[in-house]
This record gives sequence, C-alpha cells and structure tokens, in this order.
Amino acid sequence: QITLKESGPTLVKPTQTLTLTCSFSGFSLSTSGVAVGWIRQPPGKALEWLALIYWDDDKRYSPSLKSRLTITKDTSKNQVVLTMTNMDPVDTATYYCAHRGPAALFDYWGQGTLVTVSS
Amino acid sequence: QTVVTQEPSLTVSPGGTVTLTCASSTGAVISGYYPNWFQQKPGQAPRALIYSTSNKHSWTPARFSGSLVGGKAALTLSGVQPEDEAEYYCLLYYGGAWVFGGGTKLTVL
Repeated sequence: QITLKESGPTLVKPTQTLTLTCSFSGFSLSTSGVAVGWIRQPPGKALEWLALIYWDDDKRYSPSLKSRLTITKDTSKNQVVLTMTNMDPVDTATYYCAHRGPAALFDYWGQGTLVTVSS
Repeated sequence: QTVVTQEPSLTVSPGGTVTLTCASSTGAVISGYYPNWFQQKPGQAPRALIYSTSNKHSWTPARFSGSLVGGKAALTLSGVQPEDEAEYYCLLYYGGAWVFGGGTKLTVL
C-alpha cells in the first residue's frame, strides 16, 4: 500500500525559503523506474507541476521555476525534500507530492499541504 | 511557454456520454506526450484515471476511456454517473518537463 504525506510550514513570509518534506511508504526510491514529484495548486486554480526526482537521482524541474527549486531525496528515510527560494504571495498554494511508478505517472498522491505566503 | 488547453466547463446528463479534450500549443498531441488524466473533487487530492493515452489504473471505472482524437488527447465518459461531477485535468510530457492543462469543470445535470 503506497502512501505519501507532505509536511512543512503552513505560513512563510515573502522572500523566505520554503522547505517541504514528502514522507512515503509502500515503495522504495531506490527501485528502478520509480520517482517522486511535486505539484502545487493555488486556491481555486489549476494544478502546476514543479519537480521530479528519479531513483537514480536524476532531477527535472519546471522551466519557469527552475532557478528557485531544489529537490533531493533521502532513500534511507523514505523522504523527498523540495525547497523553493524567494517565496512570494503568488506562491500560496496547496503543495502535493506524488509517486511515479515504472509505468504510470503520479498514480498515488499525498493529501496536500496548504502553504500561505504572507507578511 | 507551452500551454495545454482544456474546455473550461462541460455539462452532461446522467447516463450520457461526454468527451473532454486536451490540446497543446506546440501542435498535435501524439502518444509521445504520454497523456495522463486526473479527476479532482472539491477538497480532495487529484486521483489518477488514465496514463499513457489510454491505460487505466486498477481503480479506474470502465466508463472512463482515453484516446487521441483530432490532434488532441481525449477523455471520454460513457454512461456518466452523478459522482463523476468533478474537475478533470490532463497532463502532457514535453521531453523532461510536464505541463498540466487548465482543467475542465464537468457538471452532471
């Protein structure tokens, strides 16, 4: 049974750096073909893909946010961490992490965590 | 910047059939874009329905199907149920990056 859960601050100030952790179970990020991604959704708006990290530590980023994002993994802890620098109120959103299996992309999702950017 | 376009809203009667489409600003959507479809109900995380154009997950109801039609990815619901009222998102692959569509609000009325 695959589960994922996001954790991190609910409120950050403008210009601060956001650090989110995705803790997962039911799979290993050392298994070939497996990856974990991050997706966000501003209130009332569409989903936006942010980043993805593969079992072999290959990383992919949204071109529009690449300069602000870093994704890392700790295989021993079953965690993936996303950092986003220079936060702005427009970055207020629910942030999701999701599993990518060898065949299917984002088949399992976490419940999401709402991050508000405000002074 | 790549834009993925979906119908903003559609309405269908219970028991009816509806097709949602997903277009790319770069041109025709082909299998190499690996279209994915997700369903999202208010207050919930998205749920995966279709991957790689037409493949269903084990939990995807049989009434949902994916295809390529007229240069677009398509999600067809046949025999729509009231519980299918939701927002639907497509996701396309662009050589190392993924882009979601703007979503289609499906109303069952």
